Amino acid sequence: GIQVEQSPPDLILQEGANSTLRCNFSDSVNNLQWFHQNPWGQLINLFYIPSGTKQNGRLSATTVATERYSLLYISSSQTTDSGVYFCAVESIYYGNNRLAFGKGNQVVVIP
Amino acid sequence: DVKVTQSSRYLVKRTGEKVFLECVQDMDHENMFWYRQDPGLGLRLIYFSYDVKMKEKGDIPEGYSVSREKKERFSLILESASTNQTSMYLCASRGGGGTGELFFGEGSRLTVL
Repeated sequence: GIQVEQSPPDLILQEGANSTLRCNFSDSVNNLQWFHQNPWGQLINLFYIPSGTKQNGRLSATTVATERYSLLYISSSQTTDSGVYFCAVESIYYGNNRLAFGKGNQVVVIP
Repeated sequence: DVKVTQSSRYLVKRTGEKVFLECVQDMDHENMFWYRQDPGLGLRLIYFSYDVKMKEKGDIPEGYSVSREKKERFSLILESASTNQTSMYLCASRGGGGTGELFFGEGSRLTVL
């Protein structure tokens, strides 16, 4: 199946700092999402972004589908940004409804 | 807003018990999913359903079954719970067409003693 690699696996940030999380995938995709898992375990949708660039407040994301990667930018980080960020992709080859998740980026924002 | 509701946030069961995890969505989505999440292994797909009474196995279906009698409800069943099924279980849904945004419930943390 499709391989999804997220980097860096762990990141510690000072409040107010900016950061970039990366998601690499091994095949062409027709679906890519970024999620934030909060401390209680729920996955919150951040972006649905199979291609292009989107922004939502301090967060933005870019997917370059032809080069098989996506980036999630966090600007002016806050302690509430702490948690695990997941990238999930769906290959055009492996059938619908079979999203593959990366292992996540564990982010800790310290005050 | 899409709402995916899982019936229990925390459950403790004994080995051999039958366990039901319920999930309800309110957006008339065709597709519903059950994942489990374990440290170091990430999210793994157990089963999904693309219509009422229709289901497909995911990557780790062994030891689980599912039921979808109504469009809004998708149940995960552990016929005889075992300690290696201690995990976080996550339900999700999305609309038809095989693409589109996936929405998750709050998760159910199951401990099997």
